[in-house]
Amino acid sequence: DVKVTQSSRYLVKRTGEKVFLECVQDMDHENMFWYRQDPGLGLRLIYFSYDVKMKEKGDIPEGYSVSREKKERFSLILESASTNQTSMYLCASSPPGQGFLQPQHFGDGTRLSIL
Amino acid sequence: AQKVTQAQTEISVVEKEDVTLDCVYETRDTTYYLFWYKQPPSGELVFLIRRNSFDEQNEISGRYSWNFQKSTSSFNFTITASQVVDSAVYFCALGTGSARQLTFGSGTQLTVLP
Repeated sequence: DVKVTQSSRYLVKRTGEKVFLECVQDMDHENMFWYRQDPGLGLRLIYFSYDVKMKEKGDIPEGYSVSREKKERFSLILESASTNQTSMYLCASSPPGQGFLQPQHFGDGTRLSIL
Repeated sequence: AQKVTQAQTEISVVEKEDVTLDCVYETRDTTYYLFWYKQPPSGELVFLIRRNSFDEQNEISGRYSWNFQKSTSSFNFTITASQVVDSAVYFCALGTGSARQLTFGSGTQLTVLP
């Protein structure tokens, strides 16, 4: 079974801090994704990556950046955290092929609170 | 633009009742994929099904069934004889070549009462 592991289940940070959310998958998947989930809005794509050192913006990239130095690891970075970035963050991965065609495997999520 | 609408925000049923979760999608692509995911209270989204736009056959998997109708742009999900363990948020999603990503609906919170 694919395992997608997110480094923290709950995280509390302060406004202006630089925040790192880590995600690791163990199935050698090329595709990795970061979403945020907010009530009534479903999942919204922040960034995705189809290969090492490759990244593409999703629907809501503002205030975020990502890093993919190794195939199994995809990091989401909040450059200067703000209260409107309080949310549930979900990482996902999928097998080779176009990411939108493949079933994605999700981690448990990180509930991030920015005070 | 791609859009997925799950008009039912919350549904509550009593155990053993049948329940249908609605999903309506919009796209101009002729080739696309539709998905359903389940998110239990633990938080991890679990993949349930994928259907491509050229396959309108309905699918049944145990107590779960899916009805895909291109004529109404709908991909509805029915749970037969619901159980308490079915309580979760269910998401419908659309994948298209033009968007190159999945577009998720806002989700339906299903509560099955004992």
